Amino acid sequence: DAKTTQPNSMESNEEEPVHLPCNHSTISGTDYIHWYRQLPSQGPEYVIHGLTSNVNNRMASLAIAEDRKSSTLILHRATLRDAAVYYCPLGAGGTSYGKLTFGQGTILTVHP
Amino acid sequence: DAGVTQSPTHLIKTRGQQVTLRCSPKSGHDTVSWYQQALGQGPQFIFQYYEEEERQRGNFPDRFSGHQFPNYSSELNVNALLLGDSALYLCASSFYGGIDYEQYFGPGTRLTVT
Repeated sequence: DAKTTQPNSMESNEEEPVHLPCNHSTISGTDYIHWYRQLPSQGPEYVIHGLTSNVNNRMASLAIAEDRKSSTLILHRATLRDAAVYYCPLGAGGTSYGKLTFGQGTILTVHP
Repeated sequence: DAGVTQSPTHLIKTRGQQVTLRCSPKSGHDTVSWYQQALGQGPQFIFQYYEEEERQRGNFPDRFSGHQFPNYSSELNVNALLLGDSALYLCASSFYGGIDYEQYFGPGTRLTVT
């Protein structure tokens, strides 16, 4: 399974943009790039996913490198509620659908 | 609309015992995946159930087994518990083959083995 590497922690100020990087240099051609976040005492929450093109939704934007070996989750205006552990698991499509391979995650701290 | 529910919330067992954890998927979902999350680590995939069969399995020993019922709910069984099995066990549900790859996770069951 392809692995992901993320910074252990990052800090941001409220209402400023946050760019969370993820390295997945061994990604295969059929792997989707997902982002989930996890608050204390909760299960992970889906944020966004993509395959090759950049993606936007109401929560965030996902920028995927042209070679797909890295990606960046962009929170446009951080709020205190965005403080969480962010993961960028890879998820295979096709018959391997549903299996997510998580790394260590990035602890995001948001300062008021 | 209830999301993914898991029971029990917390559980304490002794080494060598057996445990059963339960999961009810989100309404409309037919696939259940189980993950183990050790403290300070990301979740690790255990296995996935669809149409009452195990479809995929991660790198976990046979002590970990599961079941899916006709109503799509699922159980995770762990035999001969080891201290290292202490973790948060997460259940995630989805609709198999859908274009939406989003998985919905439950709050987890915290298992402590003493």
